[in-house]
Amino acid sequence: KNQVEQSPQSLIILEGKNCTLQCNYTVSPFSNLRWYKQDTGRGPVSLTIMTFSENTKSNGRYTATLDADTKQSSLHITASQLSDSASYICVVSGGGADGLTFGKGTHLIIQP
Amino acid sequence: SAVISQKPSRDICQRGTSLTIQCQVDSQVTMMFWYRQQPGQSLTLIATANQGSEATYESGFVIDKFPISRPNLTFSTLTVSNMSPEDSSIYLCSGTGANTYEQYFGPGTRLTVT
Repeated sequence: KNQVEQSPQSLIILEGKNCTLQCNYTVSPFSNLRWYKQDTGRGPVSLTIMTFSENTKSNGRYTATLDADTKQSSLHITASQLSDSASYICVVSGGGADGLTFGKGTHLIIQP
Repeated sequence: SAVISQKPSRDICQRGTSLTIQCQVDSQVTMMFWYRQQPGQSLTLIATANQGSEATYESGFVIDKFPISRPNLTFSTLTVSNMSPEDSSIYLCSGTGANTYEQYFGPGTRLTVT
């Protein structure tokens, strides 16, 4: 069964600090891995998309890594800001938009 | 990119009634989907909305409970029928661009059934 596991479930850090969120998956076949940010009361917004051949991808202060051999990904947030408070969802695609497996997300809270 | 809007943004409904959620995209999208997100859970795909034909439902979801329409490339509706408290959830509309990597989500409709 395809699964995406995220850790930690929730995280609280101080503004300005860095943090790393983890995603482990057992999805086959594998096409791409996506990280989304979901603000409270909003729909998910794409941060990064990585295919099998990509090891790292950045989007501003967000850097995602992918190890396709160990089926692990991480999302690193640098110099956190209050606006980073949100849920971060890891999504793995087996090909086609209808073949997505969603993680439960990591709920991140940035404290001033 | 595509901007997706949904109406209503939230509603409180009595059990046994039905609610229709509207999804409007500001540009043409290739595929449209409806998801459900229960508290603390990941998104679950309900169905793929097909233009001009019956939607394709995932296991556990049926047309009688969740009828879907997609009369054109930019609009779709999801009806939650004969609601029970277990239907309380956030319902999200989604669409993909020409490249299916590009997937956009609406803001969601928060439904509470009492």
